[in-house]
Amino acid sequence: GQQVMQIPQYQHVQEGEDFTTYCNSSTTLSNIQWYKQRPGGHPVFLIQLVKSGEVKKQKRLTFQFGEAKKNSSLHITATQTTDVGTYFCAGGSPSGAGSYQLTFGKGTKLSVIP
Amino acid sequence: ETGVTQTPRHLVMGMTNKKSLKCEQHLGHNAMYWYKQSAKKPLELMFVYSLEERVENNSVPSRFSPECPNSSHLFLHLHTLQPEDSALYLCASSQENEQYFGPGTRLTVT
Repeated sequence: GQQVMQIPQYQHVQEGEDFTTYCNSSTTLSNIQWYKQRPGGHPVFLIQLVKSGEVKKQKRLTFQFGEAKKNSSLHITATQTTDVGTYFCAGGSPSGAGSYQLTFGKGTKLSVIP
Repeated sequence: ETGVTQTPRHLVMGMTNKKSLKCEQHLGHNAMYWYKQSAKKPLELMFVYSLEERVENNSVPSRFSPECPNSSHLFLHLHTLQPEDSALYLCASSQENEQYFGPGTRLTVT
């Protein structure tokens, strides 16, 4: 079955430093989604990438989808303490009748040192 | 956020108990999902319902039994669980691609 690998598992950065997490799939993806889960919280949708080579930005966050649609990355510029949490990528595939199956990576837990 | 609610938020149960988790979505979505989140493991999809019909069951043990009486409600019935079933159980709903998660039920099996 489809597997989604995500690295690194943990990342500690000084506030103001940049942060990047990488996601790789064993198969070509229909799309990839990114979620953020704050400590003690639940995953919250950030963005979806669909097209090969797509790049999207949300303020200090930059998301990329690889040309082969098998890898993706999330880059945060000048991290802030509010960025703390676990970032998950998820490969999406339709599962019929309007539903969507996501295969999640293990996530990258980001700690920001003030 | 109150789009997807889950009750109870915390549950402690013995291995011989029977309990149910409840999820309700107020977003008008047509698909609902149960996930299991354990420490050091990826989010695991357990069940998918679309238009109240189960479309996916990822080889989940029969001690977990889902029920979807309508498009807004989803239940997970639990019986004779094992300690390794202790985890955060998350419900989610979707209309198209992005999924909206509830706050989860933290389950401890003793």
